[in-house]
Amino acid sequence: IQMTQSPSSLSASVGDTVSITCRASQFISNYLNWYQQRPGQAPKLLIYATSNLQSGVPSRFSGSGSGTAFTLSITGLQPEDLGTYFCQQTYNALYSFGQGTKLEVK
Amino acid sequence: EVSLVESGGGFVKPGGSLRLSCAASGFTFRHHHMTWVRQAPGKGLEWVSHISSSSSTIYYADSVKGRFTVSRDNVNKSLYLQMNSLRDDDTARYYCVRVGEMDTINLYFFDLWGQGTPVTVSS
Repeated sequence: IQMTQSPSSLSASVGDTVSITCRASQFISNYLNWYQQRPGQAPKLLIYATSNLQSGVPSRFSGSGSGTAFTLSITGLQPEDLGTYFCQQTYNALYSFGQGTKLEVK
Repeated sequence: EVSLVESGGGFVKPGGSLRLSCAASGFTFRHHHMTWVRQAPGKGLEWVSHISSSSSTIYYADSVKGRFTVSRDNVNKSLYLQMNSLRDDDTARYYCVRVGEMDTINLYFFDLWGQGTPVTVSS
């Protein structure tokens, strides 16, 4: 299953609301997770099963979608949100990731 | 403290072998499926292999199938990745990752990551 994210990069200001889209090449129900990778760090789980916030993740992060189209939203962008965001499908056993969206915070 | 610590990475020539290890602590290792994910320099994430909690189910990405072997030791809380016939495009940081699960719908997610161990394949 191919996962395609858009945009590949974006720049936004502190306090802005940003959205990242992830599209699956076939139906994946809600088997969609989001990860954040800050520069020089390991990835970190943000959201699982499309819209479930991982423990400890700020409520400004949210996820939505179903089927083949999904969105990660960040409401009230903070400086520490800079990094690269990846979506991932776990609908089948080849747990493919999107190519990533690099977020710059101005 | 809950953690995963990888080791065993390094430099190797094409065609060579390496064995990666991952030591788990702070959680009940035998209850969790585990996986390896890699990231080539400046690139995105690539899932490599999955092993179930009892080792009964194992999956590999097509790019490593037949060359890599995943295994685990639940007594010693360790995960392994034996990598043979290494190629230049296997160069990456390799992450050991714990698999979380929503039991009701068999949905998996990767909820605990190690810091990774770098592997460089070059002549």
